[in-house]
Amino acid sequence: DAKTTQPNSMESNEEEPVHLPCNHSTISGTDYIHWYRQLPSQGPEYVIHGLTSNVNNRMASLAIAEDRKSSTLILHRATLRDAAVYYCILRDTGGSTLGRLYFGRGTQLTVWP
Amino acid sequence: DAGVIQSPRHEVTEMGQEVTLRCKPISGHNSLFWYRQTMMRGLELLIYFNNNVPIDDSGMPEDRFSAKMPNASFSTLKIQPSEPRDSAVYFCASSKTGDFGTDTQYFGPGTRLTVL
Repeated sequence: DAKTTQPNSMESNEEEPVHLPCNHSTISGTDYIHWYRQLPSQGPEYVIHGLTSNVNNRMASLAIAEDRKSSTLILHRATLRDAAVYYCILRDTGGSTLGRLYFGRGTQLTVWP
Repeated sequence: DAGVIQSPRHEVTEMGQEVTLRCKPISGHNSLFWYRQTMMRGLELLIYFNNNVPIDDSGMPEDRFSAKMPNASFSTLKIQPSEPRDSAVYFCASSKTGDFGTDTQYFGPGTRLTVL
């Protein structure tokens, strides 16, 4: 899987929007962009994924740059429960790394009341 | 659905002892993954199975580690003999795999292993 680059940490106030960036300049045409998050003392949980178009679900929105070299996870109104480590992951649809999720260090999001 | 079930949740053992971690994937899922998380190395994939068959075990650190999946509803990760550097949180995850680009992995709560 191609590598991703994320800031080590970000902070937000409760009820405010949060934009978590991810750079993936070596992304290939078949790589999907996945986001997972890990709450304290829990296993990672899926947030959202996309290929080319922006995506929305009940948890978040994913904005993908036109050249696909970067993406942004958007939490529209941060809550205290959103404090977690957020991982941006590229997943290839084939090849020898089939099925693998490569977790980098992620972004530690702190939400202030 | 109960989600991915792991046992035990916590395990404390002494160096040299055998440790067995257990995982029950979500019913209907056909892929199972074992991960290890440490402060130094973060989350790393150890091995994964598809339809009960090991597909990629390149992440297994050494011969002391072994994993089995005798049926679709049960998997074990065994460490024999255990060493203090094996102390970590071990996660099991499962997915219903059709397209590996889009499938979602569901993680269990993890087993915190401490080897004294």
